[in-house]
Amino acid sequence: AAGVIQSPRHLIKEKRETATLKCYPIPRHDTVYWYQQGPGQDPQFLISFYEKMQSDKGSIPDRFSAQQFSDYHSELNMSSLELGDSALYFCASTGLAEADTQYFGPGTRLTVL
Amino acid sequence: DAKTTQPNSMESNEEEPVHLPCNHSTISGTDYIHWYRQLPSQGPEYVIHGLTSNVNNRMASLAIAEDRKSSTLILHRATLRDAAVYYCILRDVGDDKIIFGKGTRLHILP
Repeated sequence: AAGVIQSPRHLIKEKRETATLKCYPIPRHDTVYWYQQGPGQDPQFLISFYEKMQSDKGSIPDRFSAQQFSDYHSELNMSSLELGDSALYFCASTGLAEADTQYFGPGTRLTVL
Repeated sequence: DAKTTQPNSMESNEEEPVHLPCNHSTISGTDYIHWYRQLPSQGPEYVIHGLTSNVNNRMASLAIAEDRKSSTLILHRATLRDAAVYYCILRDVGDDKIIFGKGTRLHILP
């Protein structure tokens, strides 16, 4: 079965650079979530989209923005990167038929040097 | 937000049942109990969820106390591949984001 696809899987950036992470949800899923997991930490909710509209927002820095496109894929844009942004970024998706179950992608490991 | 309390870590022998406890004494009537797990170097994975009645699926069973203030995730026959961090999560109806707590790190001994 198709799973959530995230790209790139690994990304290395310098401080103050920008990064764009992409998420392709499972086909027919209309809701996407982004989570950040720092080293040794538990995943923290950042932001979510339903039908291309932002549906909820967590502790996402103002330097980060995200959107969901007409094909339901989502991008997380991160600017003025800081060392503390180094983390695993997970995308999850769900749809009406999934009874609130979220399906997570493999994550993007961002390293800021 | 309702909170959950889980042991930091547990150990179990391979091919034996594992009972992972979760306390949620402030659970509200509309909170569902969800369990996710995160295997090493992977994204979280849904395990099971329930509201009041015990639930079974191919991965595990969920036993919910009558007062709903606690629940237990049961892995009937643990394998080495079940070594993961297990998260017990409360989610209200209409609350779609997941708030992860500390979880229980399960070690499986061969």
